[in-house]
This record gives sequence, structure tokens and C-alpha cells, in this order.
Amino acid sequence: GENVEQHPSTLSVQEGDSAVIKCTYSDSASNYFPWYKQELGKRPQLIIDIRSNVGEKKDQRIAVTLNKTAKHFSLHITETQPEDSAVYFCAASIDNFNKFYFGSGTKLNVKP
Amino acid sequence: NAGVTQTPKFQVLKTGQSMTLQCAQDMNHEYMSWYRQDPGMGLRLIHYSVGAGITDQGEVPNGYNVSRSTTEDFPLRLLSAAPSQTSVYFCASSYSGTAYEQYFGPGTRLTVT
Repeated sequence: GENVEQHPSTLSVQEGDSAVIKCTYSDSASNYFPWYKQELGKRPQLIIDIRSNVGEKKDQRIAVTLNKTAKHFSLHITETQPEDSAVYFCAASIDNFNKFYFGSGTKLNVKP
Repeated sequence: NAGVTQTPKFQVLKTGQSMTLQCAQDMNHEYMSWYRQDPGMGLRLIHYSVGAGITDQGEVPNGYNVSRSTTEDFPLRLLSAAPSQTSVYFCASSYSGTAYEQYFGPGTRLTVT
């Protein structure tokens, strides 16, 4: 099956700085890559996703990039704010196939 | 819409006891899944369903059973609880076809002593 690795496990940045979280996947058939944000004690919520026919996608301060050849994708958060502090998970899935494989998570701490 | 609901929110079981975690969604989603979340390990897929009457195993199915008799409900049964099943359990649902956003329930925190 698919194996998704996520780095770093913890990330501490100063408010206003950028944060980058990286994931790699093993199954070249995976073609859908969502990112979830989970606040303490809450459920994961989708923040951005990308499909394999796209190299980059942006939504305000959040962007995701995908390198299919290298099988890695990254989450970029610019101008970080304290409310960005949470655990972020990447995931990989094959279209039309309801099996999502998650990375182990990155705890982001944004210091005011 | 209530979205995805789960009951109970918290549960303590003794080793060997059985119980059912309930999950329901009111969005007419075909796909439903169960995950467990352990510290440092992300979310791992236990079982999933692509529609009423159809279920399949995920990464960590041992010790769990599921059934899907209706589109709305997808209960997860622990047959004989073990301390290794102490975890937070999330149910999720999504539309079928091209992968869509998964909506997660609020979770059930289970402790097995």
C-alpha cells in the first residue's frame, strides 16, 4: 500500500515568517493530495488540496506544490499568525478510491 | 445539516468488553471511513465503505468489524477490546467518484483498561 512520510514533526516559527511542511509518497498511482489542519481536541479540517494534473495551488496565505516525478508535495504558509498554530497532516489517495493514507503530522507553533 | 456525528464522545472499557461506536451523516455521502488517531502516527484507516452493503478493510482492520446497512450510518464494532485499541476514533464521509473532501466527525476518545 501507499506510504506517506511527513517532515518535520514539529516546527516553530515567529509570527510573520513562512512555514513549509514536506511530504513524500510511494505509490505513483496516487493522484489526490489533501492537507488537513487539526486544532487541539478538534476534528481534522481540509485546508487545501491538489490533484496530480496541477503543479501548484494557492489559497490566500496557503499554497501547495506537487512534484510528481520526485513523489513529494509541500504545504507553504506565508505571513504566519498565532491562529495557524495546530497540527497539519498531509494525505495521499487514488482518485475514485476511498482510501486515504496520512502522514504522521507536523505540530506548527507560531510564536507571537 | 448536522454533518457527521459520532457517539459516544468518551468511553472507557475493560479488556475483553465489546462495544459499538456510532457514526451517522446527513449529507447523502456514499463514502464513509473509520480512522484511529494515535500520538505521532497520524490517522490510520481501519475500514471503509463505498456504499450501503459494501465495506472493505483499511490499514489496521484487526479487532474491528463494520457493516453499512444504510447510506447514513456506519457503525464500528470492537469485538473484544484490548489496551492497544486505546485511541481517538474518527469517522469521515465524502461524495463518491473523483476524490472529494472528507468531512470528519468530532471523534470518540476510547480508553481500554
